[in-house]
Amino acid sequence: EDQVTQSPEALRLQEGESSSLNCSYTVSGLRGLFWYRQDPGKGPEFLFTLYSAGEEKEKERLKATLTKKESFLHITAPKPEDSATYLCAVQAQTGGYNKLIFGAGTRLAVHP
Amino acid sequence: NAGVTQTPKFQVLKTGQSMTLQCAQDMNHNSMYWYRQDPGMGLRLIYYSASEGTTDKGEVPNGYNVSRLNKREFSLRLESAAPSQTSVYFCASSGGAGGYSNQPQHFGDGTRLSIL
Repeated sequence: EDQVTQSPEALRLQEGESSSLNCSYTVSGLRGLFWYRQDPGKGPEFLFTLYSAGEEKEKERLKATLTKKESFLHITAPKPEDSATYLCAVQAQTGGYNKLIFGAGTRLAVHP
Repeated sequence: NAGVTQTPKFQVLKTGQSMTLQCAQDMNHNSMYWYRQDPGMGLRLIYYSASEGTTDKGEVPNGYNVSRLNKREFSLRLESAAPSQTSVYFCASSGGAGGYSNQPQHFGDGTRLSIL
């Protein structure tokens, strides 16, 4: 069964304390892996797409990496404004369309 | 750019009432989607439309219907609301070749629906 698991469920960091969020997946026919950021009361905001193992993408303090079984979102020297829920989603081809399977998310809180 | 716009933002219904959630996108995307988000769970696909004139069931379609009115608009209807449908509903759209696209989906800010 296609599945996406994110860990930890919640993470509290001090400003400047670097860390990583994990997204592990089991899917057949991987078409892509997506990272989103979601602020309270808002919809998911697209961050990155990774298509193949070994690929890396960076944006400001965020860096996403991909292996054949998992993806990491590395946060370097985080600031309070990085506080949000980070969602991972895997796209798999099934039944003739590309299904997007979401993890439950990691709630990140960065304190000054 | 507005991106994906959803209306209403909040709604309270009584069990058995019906309502339609509206969604419009201005990115000229072919594909549109409806999800629900519940605490502790990932977003779950209700229905999707790979292109104008087509709709298909997702993971949790029971109790819902959809209409792809034109390329811009995709509505979700609850015919007889039940408390189990209390959730936050998100509409999304993506570019590329219909349901075969691996382009990222872009989301609206959701409709918070409570059913008493």
